[in-house]
Amino acid sequence: QKEVEQNSGPLSVPEGAIASLNCTYSDRVSQSFFWYRQYSGKSPELIMSIYSNGDKEDGRFTAQLNKASQYVSLLIRDSQPSDSATYLCAVARPTGGGNKLTFGTGTQLKVEL
Amino acid sequence: DTEVTQTPKHLVMGMTNKKSLKCEQHMGHRAMYWYKQKAKKPPELMFVYSYEKLSINESVPSRFSPECPNSSLLNLHLHALQPEDSALYLCASSQEWVRGSSYNSPLHFGNGTRLTVT
Repeated sequence: QKEVEQNSGPLSVPEGAIASLNCTYSDRVSQSFFWYRQYSGKSPELIMSIYSNGDKEDGRFTAQLNKASQYVSLLIRDSQPSDSATYLCAVARPTGGGNKLTFGTGTQLKVEL
Repeated sequence: DTEVTQTPKHLVMGMTNKKSLKCEQHMGHRAMYWYKQKAKKPPELMFVYSYEKLSINESVPSRFSPECPNSSLLNLHLHALQPEDSALYLCASSQEWVRGSSYNSPLHFGNGTRLTVT
């Protein structure tokens, strides 16, 4: 079982719709969860951090965390063509030094006009 | 604009060359990272520095040699690379994890160096 699993997609949604991206993780010690957006040929860009169970909203983005189910999701409301990118789920756990992030394989999102 | 700066943006090198990738951050972070990313794959952790000391080496071949001269700078020295080492090399920084804390700070990535080994 992979440590962090995502559906690779592509996930296609029409412009203006809600895009729902999902991620599951296997390590129950994990305590911090992140969503990164990566455009083709570019570096990952942090979109959301979430640490507690429940929802966290930031503009058009909502992250949801359920530690009991080991599940984290990202909702993008009013999807725009500029949202078309790969979305990486990342999970962190304590280490002796630094924050060791494990990334999922990413979900490719396509927002169609 | 990213607050983590990587140079060069692109690098082409032969298998016998020696080159270095450079990374600089002015965010006051005390943890710095090197990741490698192949096309259509997630970033893979290579090295972690915490307070200028190497804390994690993910069994990276010795042809990759990291160096952290001070808290703002991180280098990756390359020697005798193979064509399969061609990839996007990403530097990142973060606040250091505080023992006992229930939070890990996110990583902030630079724009990366696109490396091609011929």
